[in-house]
Amino acid sequence: DVKVTQSSRYLVKRTGEKVFLECVQDMDHENMFWYRQDPGLGLRLIYFSYDVKMKEKGDIPEGYSVSREKKERFSLILESASTNQTSMYLCASGTGAYNEQFFGPGTRLTVL
Amino acid sequence: GENVEQHPSTLSVQEGDSAVIKCTYSDSASNYFPWYKQELGKRPQLIIDIRSNVGEKKDQRIAVTLNKTAKHFSLHITETQPEDSAVYFCAASKDNYGQNFVFGPGTRLSVLP
Repeated sequence: DVKVTQSSRYLVKRTGEKVFLECVQDMDHENMFWYRQDPGLGLRLIYFSYDVKMKEKGDIPEGYSVSREKKERFSLILESASTNQTSMYLCASGTGAYNEQFFGPGTRLTVL
Repeated sequence: GENVEQHPSTLSVQEGDSAVIKCTYSDSASNYFPWYKQELGKRPQLIIDIRSNVGEKKDQRIAVTLNKTAKHFSLHITETQPEDSAVYFCAASKDNYGQNFVFGPGTRLSVLP
């Protein structure tokens, strides 16, 4: 069974704080993704990575950065959290082309 | 860039009836179209997908059709059951690796007993 885990289910931070969201997968997948999910907007891709130390911008990368030092771990960083980054953040992993992405349980981040 | 529209945003059907959700995309180069289902409080899961070289794909009670000329694709669920109640997201690929998607905004399907 594919397992994708995220470091927190719920997180509350203050405006201006640096926030780290971590994602770990145990299936040796080379592809990893960070999405944010907002009502009425679906899932929007923030960053993705097809290999260790590789990262590519998705559709909404502004205000975010990522790190992938190990194959199984993909971190999303909010350098200076803002209230408009309050959202549900979903990590996913997958292998190969045209294949299923497996999602983590999500982190609901609230920025006050 | 790619844009994916999805209709309707909400859909209620009686148990046993069929449900159809439609999506349109803007980039004619898109070649992979997955559908994900997200039950309340759970993570999205792939239920069916289709490549652009195929017009229709079926898996038991669910099917997807693709019209490349019109740039739209649809999800069909027959003999709906209460466990089909969920939010359904369509997506279209942005590259030739089929992993960089643009998702539609989602359709909330309610199957009424």
